[in-house]
Amino acid sequence: DIQMTQSPSSLSASVGDRVTITCQASQDIKKFLNWYQQKPGKAPKLLIYDASILEAGVPSRFSGSGSGTGFIFTITSLQPEDFATYYCQHYNELPITFGQGTRLDIK
Amino acid sequence: QVQLQQSGPGLVKPSQTLSLTCAISGDSVSSNSATWNWIRQSPSRGLEWLGRTYYRSKWYNDYAVSVKSRITINPDTSKNQFSLQLNSVTPEDTAVYYCARDYNWNVGNYYMDVWGKGTTVIVSS
Repeated sequence: DIQMTQSPSSLSASVGDRVTITCQASQDIKKFLNWYQQKPGKAPKLLIYDASILEAGVPSRFSGSGSGTGFIFTITSLQPEDFATYYCQHYNELPITFGQGTRLDIK
Repeated sequence: QVQLQQSGPGLVKPSQTLSLTCAISGDSVSSNSATWNWIRQSPSRGLEWLGRTYYRSKWYNDYAVSVKSRITINPDTSKNQFSLQLNSVTPEDTAVYYCARDYNWNVGNYYMDVWGKGTTVIVSS
């Protein structure tokens, strides 16, 4: 199975900050990577697909980049509604696997 | 607008079968542009993909190795839904279970854009 490792596991930040989360795949997954946001008690929500394409309706302060084994997810100018847990997910092969999540909370 | 409505019991006894259903509106379980998935989430395992069913001229299923001997995912075209059965459950199967559509937006490219609300399943006597 392909292991997805996110860093950091948790992060404290303030409204207006820029934050970056990394996701490392244990083998080359090309750009077959998606990013999701999850809030407590809710299902994950798709934010970015194909490593860098913003899902319709998602604010432009969210962005993603990378290919191969290294990926970056960035939020510029954090808003109060952005405090949540973020997950990367690959679909290069079965099984589909997710990162362990990065919890973003208010400093 | 595609929606997934989950149903099923929240409490299952050890050694019994966990059964959940995911009803689809706004799309078809027979769609050639999607796969229909079950994913669970627990503090110990995080988000864990369990398996999927999909139609490409015929029906296919794929399952995670960790549950392959115990899991069945079935489509029901008459009700436009799909189901999860997990046999011989133990407390380790306690989790929030989600159904999700994995949409094929381009050749070889997928994303999970529609999710059910989740069902908390507790395995306990």
